[in-house]
Amino acid sequence: AQSVSQHNHHVILSEAASLELGCNYSYGGTVNLFWYVQYPGQHLQLLLKYFSGDPLVKGIKGFEAEFIKSKFSFNLRKPSVQWSDTAEYFCAVKDTDKLIFGTGTRLQVFP
Amino acid sequence: NAGVTQTPKFQVLKTGQSMTLQCAQDMNHEYMSWYRQDPGMGLRLIHYSVGAGITDQGEVPNGYNVSRSTTEDFPLRLLSAAPSQTSVYFCASSPLLGSNQPQHFGDGTRLSIL
Repeated sequence: AQSVSQHNHHVILSEAASLELGCNYSYGGTVNLFWYVQYPGQHLQLLLKYFSGDPLVKGIKGFEAEFIKSKFSFNLRKPSVQWSDTAEYFCAVKDTDKLIFGTGTRLQVFP
Repeated sequence: NAGVTQTPKFQVLKTGQSMTLQCAQDMNHEYMSWYRQDPGMGLRLIHYSVGAGITDQGEVPNGYNVSRSTTEDFPLRLLSAAPSQTSVYFCASSPLLGSNQPQHFGDGTRLSIL
């Protein structure tokens, strides 16, 4: 079965800093990959997804992620974070008919 | 369009009590699922359903039952609550078989077992 690893558990940044959150999945073949965000007190929302095609995927709020098949990775990036990006971020991979989530990365952005 | 509606939002139970967490969606989605969210463990899949009358186990199904008698509803039952089931529970749905489409999540149910 697929699994997802998020190695950054807690990231603290100042506003305008660049962000990269790691995500690795366990095995190859055709993969569907997702990044979800959970703002404090809210439910999960989709940031972006990769199904096929261009490995550089652009999502909402200036986020992007790059699918690197050789590294089994799907890292999330943002060139300049804002205080409003404070949230928990989850990487997820489709495994047959299930969506498997990573343990999440808590991002705190200070003004 | 209400999306995915979960009730109740908060619940406190005593060990051994039973209860049902309700989940309803009005988007005619085939696929529905239940997750629990615990600190440091992310979201773990409890049970899922690919359509009415069909359910299957996820990563952590023990202690939970589900049924899918209609497309709209996917209740999660705790038959005998245990403190280890203290968690935040999220229901999700998506339009197609499997998870190729993004999941729509409910607002969650925060459950405490004393």
